[in-house]
Amino acid sequence: GENVEQHPSTLSVQEGDSAVIKCTYSDSASNYFPWYKQELGKRPQLIIDIRSNVGEKKDQRIAVTLNKTAKHFSLHITETQPEDSAVYFCAAHNFNKFYFGSGTKLNVKP
Amino acid sequence: DVKVTQSSRYLVKRTGEKVFLECVQDMDHENMFWYRQDPGLGLRLIYFSYDVKMKEKGDIPEGYSVSREKKERFSLILESASTNQTSMYLCATLLGTGGGYTFGSGTRLTVV
Repeated sequence: GENVEQHPSTLSVQEGDSAVIKCTYSDSASNYFPWYKQELGKRPQLIIDIRSNVGEKKDQRIAVTLNKTAKHFSLHITETQPEDSAVYFCAAHNFNKFYFGSGTKLNVKP
Repeated sequence: DVKVTQSSRYLVKRTGEKVFLECVQDMDHENMFWYRQDPGLGLRLIYFSYDVKMKEKGDIPEGYSVSREKKERFSLILESASTNQTSMYLCATLLGTGGGYTFGSGTRLTVV
């Protein structure tokens, strides 16, 4: 089956700096890659996604890049704010199932 | 917006008890999933269902079963709860045509 690895497990940045979270996947058949944000005590929420026929997608301060050859995809958050502090999960969609990374706890220091 | 409701936010059960976790969605999503979330392990798939009365094992089905008698309801059953099943349980739904999950708010289960 698919295996998704996510790094780093924790990330601390100063407000205004950029944050990058990286994920790798193992199965080239995976074709859809969503990112979820989970604030403390709340449910994961979809924040951005990318399909395998696209290399990059941007939504305001958030962007995701996908390198199919290398089987990795990354989440980029620019101009970070304290409300970006949360746990972020990447996922890969493969045969109607999602496989999740282990999560990255992002702390944005004011 | 799709609403996914999990019946209990917090639950404390004794070892050996039979435990039912309920998940109800208010949209017509075909696919429903049960995950458990543990620190450092991310979300691990327990069971999923593509349709009424249909179920498939996920990656960690041992000690669990599920029931989907109606499209909107997907139940997770712990046949005989054990302390290693203490965890956060998340239900999720997915529209058949694709897109990301919609998650429920989770049930934090403690087995003592």
